[in-house]
Amino acid sequence: SQQGEEDPQALSIQEGENATMNCSYKTSINNLQWYRQNSGRGLVHLILIRSNEREKHSGRLRVTLDTSKKSSSLLITASRAADTASYFCATALQGAQKLVFGQGTRLTINP
Amino acid sequence: GAGVSQTPSNKVTEKGKYVELRCDPISGHTALYWYRQSLGQGPEFLIYFQGTGAADDSGLPNDRFFAVRPEGSVSTLKIQRTERGDSAVYLCASSSSGTGFNEQFFGPGTRLTVL
Repeated sequence: SQQGEEDPQALSIQEGENATMNCSYKTSINNLQWYRQNSGRGLVHLILIRSNEREKHSGRLRVTLDTSKKSSSLLITASRAADTASYFCATALQGAQKLVFGQGTRLTINP
Repeated sequence: GAGVSQTPSNKVTEKGKYVELRCDPISGHTALYWYRQSLGQGPEFLIYFQGTGAADDSGLPNDRFFAVRPEGSVSTLKIQRTERGDSAVYLCASSSSGTGFNEQFFGPGTRLTVL
């Protein structure tokens, strides 16, 4: 079963706009990670935020984590056509060594 | 350096056949994970190795699935008596530790199609 739910399931925006994706989860976590996947193959790690952190930045990416609401968001600023992909949040549960993925958000950047 | 590699990239087999999927992790990574991803879904955990031992195999769907990592490096996922429902992309990942604190590096996956 998958712990995370992502919202929206699909997002289409114009190049240059910002894209925001949300993730909710159910149980206590050690950290939350965001991954990108192109063409249904290998996943690329984007950013990791630990349970005691509230916000993290990496280049054009900004991730927030609200453990009281069990939710996270990924913001991509100044989007580019190359950002078109599926984005997944994955939670590392406390006491477990596996990642539990959401169903993903399919992001399309229109030139 | 070299990333995680998986072979074959695609595998087509007939219902009832046996298949083996191979994963070469990043050198020195002690933790290795297998996930399965169906179309339109996120990856689902199958099994986790720390060194040579399977530390968590709770995600294996049934006893037709088995995985080994005899020397603590390369791993093989074995599926017996394949069924059409086994069709999916099988992803392997490795990390430098199994604490869940670190990122996992994923391979390109093996797309398994069972006819």
